[in-house]
Amino acid sequence: GNSVTQMEGPVTLSEEAFLTINCTYTATGYPSLFWYVQYPGEGLQLLLKATKADDKGSNKGFEATYRKETTSFHLEKGSVQVSDSAVYFCALRDTSNTGKLIFGQGTTLQVKP
Amino acid sequence: DAGVIQSPRHEVTEMGQEVTLRCKPISGHNSLFWYRQTMMRGLELLIYFNNNVPIDDSGMPEDRFSAKMPNASFSTLKIQPSEPRDSAVYFCASSPTRDSNEQFFGPGTRLTVL
Repeated sequence: GNSVTQMEGPVTLSEEAFLTINCTYTATGYPSLFWYVQYPGEGLQLLLKATKADDKGSNKGFEATYRKETTSFHLEKGSVQVSDSAVYFCALRDTSNTGKLIFGQGTTLQVKP
Repeated sequence: DAGVIQSPRHEVTEMGQEVTLRCKPISGHNSLFWYRQTMMRGLELLIYFNNNVPIDDSGMPEDRFSAKMPNASFSTLKIQPSEPRDSAVYFCASSPTRDSNEQFFGPGTRLTVL
């Protein structure tokens, strides 16, 4: 079945550091891929998405590129801020056309001033 | 615009009691999802509806859990009887259509079963 694997957290960085959160997936076909972010005490919000191979999703300084060869969708940001502290979820759309999203376990990011 | 609305935001109850969680999706959205989030199991899809009809309830843990969507603007998730292991944050999300790429999440209901 389809699945998503994320690097374990927490990831602790100093402000202005470079961020990478790894995400790999297993799926039949070519699913759409997403990163969602959950700020403390809130629900998840879509951060960025990519719907086909080699697409790059970007938003708020975050980027992720859909790599079919390595079945990966790593999240990157060149310079993190304290306000980026949150839990980040990688997800894919289930290729069985049910409309379901399959989420990874989430990675907690803590950015210190 | 109002987002997904969930109530209550917090619920504390005793084991054996019935718990009802409520969700109002974004107006015009045809798909509604119920998720459960715990530290141990992460984010799990419990059930989802399309046009008020349950499409996939394979994530519902057991018969103690039930969900309904009597109309396009309201859904409930009921746990009867509740158990301490049901303690979690329950999220409702909606999307415009079944094939939409974005789901819009509510703020969640934090349930504690003593």
